[in-house]
Amino acid sequence: KAGVTQTPRYLIKTRGQQVTLSCSPISGHRSVSWYQQTPGQGLQFLFEYFSETQRNKGNFPGRFSGRQFSNSRSEMNVSTLELGDSALYLCASSTGTGEVGETQYFGPGTRLLVL
Amino acid sequence: GENVEQHPSTLSVQEGDSAVIKCTYSDSASNYFPWYKQELGKGPQLIIDIRSNVGEKKDQRIAVTLNKTAKHFSLHITETQPEDSAVYFCAAKTTSGTYKYIFGTGTRLKVLA
Repeated sequence: KAGVTQTPRYLIKTRGQQVTLSCSPISGHRSVSWYQQTPGQGLQFLFEYFSETQRNKGNFPGRFSGRQFSNSRSEMNVSTLELGDSALYLCASSTGTGEVGETQYFGPGTRLLVL
Repeated sequence: GENVEQHPSTLSVQEGDSAVIKCTYSDSASNYFPWYKQELGKGPQLIIDIRSNVGEKKDQRIAVTLNKTAKHFSLHITETQPEDSAVYFCAAKTTSGTYKYIFGTGTRLKVLA
């Protein structure tokens, strides 16, 4: 089974621009979660999508948004980029059933640098 | 709100020694606790997990213990090797409201040859 894939792997943007990141989950997985990882803050939960609906949301400003398509692929968008948005953005997929042993599997991440 | 504290933030051990990383969670409704290893330039990889109805689980050199009463869980790595050097994250799956995963802040493990 192919793992979680994320594109692009690296991005350089300037302040004020917007960016779209893509995530393809493991085949059969219907839940996609997004995390922001920075050296000082660890893994911060952005949001989770399940069956094309946002099911859960972290404490990030409205500049961060996402969506999920019928094939479970997900995109996240950041508008009006700020320097502090520089981070590794990780996507994780899971079955989404909520069963006790349900595990999240992470992709390699997209490293975003905002200049 | 839900929180997972992880200690230590950095850990250096000699090759062959054991390493222990500890986590404490706040939500007593948490029922699943995975551990991830993240190597440089890669995403976190699941290395072991434990459910709330189990006290200990082993997989070769890696073990995880869970104390539900104290809301503690720990990762134990025995006979450490240089390739164990990485950042390790603990997580707790909380079921309060819509379930989600809360992550610890990570432990950078260095195994010195």
